[in-house]
Amino acid sequence: EVQLLESGGGLVQPGGSLRLSCAASGFTFSSYGMGWVRQAAGKGLEWVSAISATAGSTHYADSVKGRFTISRDSSKSTLYLQMNSLRAEDTAIYYCVKVSYKYAYGYFFDYWGQGTRVTVSS
Amino acid sequence: EVVLTQSPDTLSLSPGERATLSCRASQSITGRFLAWYQHKPGQAPRLLIYDTSTRATGIPDRFSGSGSGTDFSLTISRLEPEDFAVYYCQQYGSLWTFGQGTNLEVK
Repeated sequence: EVQLLESGGGLVQPGGSLRLSCAASGFTFSSYGMGWVRQAAGKGLEWVSAISATAGSTHYADSVKGRFTISRDSSKSTLYLQMNSLRAEDTAIYYCVKVSYKYAYGYFFDYWGQGTRVTVSS
Repeated sequence: EVVLTQSPDTLSLSPGERATLSCRASQSITGRFLAWYQHKPGQAPRLLIYDTSTRATGIPDRFSGSGSGTDFSLTISRLEPEDFAVYYCQQYGSLWTFGQGTNLEVK
């Protein structure tokens, strides 16, 4: 059974940093692309970032480009999202997603985690 | 950026009825790369349909997807109590974007 368990969310001040983690199990982590999707309160889903299986390619939404960095550690079957220069509009639940193929671009998300909440406020 | 607009925003139906949800894209979607997800409060979103019309593993056949170009739809042939949720369409032919969602609620 595929499981994605996010952690690292919390309360952070504007301009601060936070690193999210996603521990994956139930599939061969090194063989699939991964990503992050967020949902602000009362809003819809917004794709944030994605990474290929080998980490050879990464993609970012314009809203986070230059501030967020996605990475992965296949030895730990863990996906990361380093979030810097956080803004109030980054407040959301962040979901870890598994991509359906080794490449991220051009493929859909077949499994989602339960999410971790990030609140950016002073 | 491909913008997806779903309609209606809210759909009120009763169990046993047929539901049709629409998703319109601002430009033609590459390769019919459109998916549908179901999201219930406090739960992880669940993949229902990918490549416009292929049901994901374990999805009942009362769910079906269709469409091409810029117009797509998700049909639930006969609503079960567990089907009431928010539904999102997503395109994955040009990075990834989601529609704003359709809230399917009990009438």
